[in-house]
Amino acid sequence: KNEVEQSPQNLTAQEGEFITINCSYSVGISALHWLQQHPGGGIVSLFMLSSGKKKHGRLIATINIQEKHSSLHITASHPRDSAVYICAVRRMDSNYQLIWGAGTKLIIKP
Amino acid sequence: NAGVTQTPKFQVLKTGQSMTLQCAQDMNHNSMYWYRQDPGMGLRLIYYSASEGTTDKGEVPNGYNVSRLNKREFSLRLESAAPSQTSVYFCASSELLVRSSNSPLHFGNGTRLTVT
Repeated sequence: KNEVEQSPQNLTAQEGEFITINCSYSVGISALHWLQQHPGGGIVSLFMLSSGKKKHGRLIATINIQEKHSSLHITASHPRDSAVYICAVRRMDSNYQLIWGAGTKLIIKP
Repeated sequence: NAGVTQTPKFQVLKTGQSMTLQCAQDMNHNSMYWYRQDPGMGLRLIYYSASEGTTDKGEVPNGYNVSRLNKREFSLRLESAAPSQTSVYFCASSELLVRSSNSPLHFGNGTRLTVT
């Protein structure tokens, strides 16, 4: 079983819908990253959080450390939000920097 | 603002050939990383450099070597390419090691490598 699991793997929605992408992990962590990978391949950091909630524009990220779960929400989704969204965790006891989820591919149709 | 620059963008090699992927960052970051990305899998760390003059193995270092030439540049070398090394390679940098800090990662645009 992977230490970081994302769901769903693929998500297709209509423009304007509220989007939720989930990330569950099975290890103790000190921080969690959300990143966006554009269709062209570039990867951009969206959020890093260790508790609570962060908001940037239409994007909201939450984390529940006790439940080992984080969500990324997109409000009023737009076709330009189409991308792969990746979750990565900073494990407390690892030498490997970050442990990465496999990503959620999001397609927003106009 | 260039950020993290990787070259080349695409490369096709025959089995046994060698090549070096170049990476440079202009953000004065201390730490740099090389990842590979394969379909259906998360990014996997090949090597990283905590600071100028140091390099360490990541999860999947076999078949690769790295050089931290100076603070700006971190190169990845495949001495004898194998089909299993067909992948997309990403270079990244951060101010401090992401393992022990809140520094965000900054990525290059990737190199798509095919080994036939």
